[in-house]
Amino acid sequence: EAEVAQSPRYKITEKSQAVAFWCDPISGHATLYWYRQILGQGPELLVQFQDESVVDDSQLPKDRFSAERLKGVDSTLKIQPAELGDSAMYLCASSSRLLGGEQFFGPGTRLTVL
Amino acid sequence: GIQVEQSPPDLILQEGANSTLRCNFSDSVNNLQWFHQNPWGQLINLFYIPSGTKQNGRLSATTVATERYSLLYISSSQTTDSGVYFCAVEPGTNDYKLSFGAGTTVTVRA
Repeated sequence: EAEVAQSPRYKITEKSQAVAFWCDPISGHATLYWYRQILGQGPELLVQFQDESVVDDSQLPKDRFSAERLKGVDSTLKIQPAELGDSAMYLCASSSRLLGGEQFFGPGTRLTVL
Repeated sequence: GIQVEQSPPDLILQEGANSTLRCNFSDSVNNLQWFHQNPWGQLINLFYIPSGTKQNGRLSATTVATERYSLLYISSSQTTDSGVYFCAVEPGTNDYKLSFGAGTTVTVRA
């Protein structure tokens, strides 16, 4: 069964360090999303890609966060420098507009910033 | 942006009981999804239901788009049903983005 892959599953880092998360969407899904979920809340969209282009990054803190999807397949989300408030679950999802747009999520990366 | 409200925030059930979770949304939507977040944090797709009624085993869902709400029914609950249930909607602006509610935390006791 096709799944969204993410790595690492867990990351512990110290503040001011750089971290990177990787996502591989379901094959054929042109739309890729990065969400952030703070404990006790629902996920919130950080960035949306259509193929290799950014469609929406209005909620991405661009002073420290960056995201890329160079070949329109897998994607990397980077934080530099990490801050204590960045501790959260980072979720990647993908969808296909041709198949109706249902979003499927990966297992997530749980980030702890010390 | 669109507002998504889920109720109740917390639900404690005895194994075997039935329950109903509600999701209200403030504007028209193209799509609506229900998810179950497992203890490891992964969101598991339950239903993709912009309108109508669907059933999958002991779970079923109904969305009444004209009245801006959706219901998730859990019948004969089991301990494995415990977790957080999220409703997420895609506004009717064709931007393909999901807005999530705050979730309902379900605890099923043996």
